[in-house]
Amino acid sequence: SQTIHQWPATLVQPVGSPLSLECTVEGTSNPNLYWYRQAAGRGLQLLFYSVGIGQISSEVPQNLSASRPQDRQFILSSKKLLLSDSGFYLCAWSVTGLNTEAFFGQGTRLTVV
Amino acid sequence: ELKVEQNPLFLSMQEGKNYTIYCNYSTTSDRLYWYRQDPGKSLESLFVLLSNGAVKQEGRLMASLDTKARLSTLHITAAVHDLSATYFCAVDFYLNYGGATNKLIFGTGTLLAVQP
Repeated sequence: SQTIHQWPATLVQPVGSPLSLECTVEGTSNPNLYWYRQAAGRGLQLLFYSVGIGQISSEVPQNLSASRPQDRQFILSSKKLLLSDSGFYLCAWSVTGLNTEAFFGQGTRLTVV
Repeated sequence: ELKVEQNPLFLSMQEGKNYTIYCNYSTTSDRLYWYRQDPGKSLESLFVLLSNGAVKQEGRLMASLDTKARLSTLHITAAVHDLSATYFCAVDFYLNYGGATNKLIFGTGTLLAVQP
């Protein structure tokens, strides 16, 4: 069966520091991968999605970037964090086809101080 | 603009009562999903609706899709406290992109609080 791993679960970082969040998927090949962000008490905002290695689409301009160095690995990065980057970051995967249901990792709660 | 709207945003319910959450979306799609999120947790998939008139039921929850009205409903029957959570609908607007987009746009969420 497929599983998705996301880490760390919580992170407190000072303003201006770099960020690296990692997500890996097991049990499937060539998944579509996504990064969503959820601000406190708000909905989910799609940040990036990828349909293959090295293919990244950015949904909103921001202080973040994403990379997909391997088929089942998706990384969210920042060179210098802002206070507004605080939030709950969720990685998800799906498979291309009629059903694009997305399955989510456990999330990373990032607090920028 | 591709938009997914839910209402109400907050719903305080009494145990044993029936309620409905509505999900409207802006342009054509026949792929709609419902998720549940418990406080501080990730999202759990509830229902997958892939055609006009699709209806799915699981326990006290029933979801339906009307693609002509661009509307999905999540109906709660005889609410119990365990159903307290935030519920999201999500839509794949693949038809607007001439094919598979492989991405979901989420609604604003409905915070459901079931009171004894």
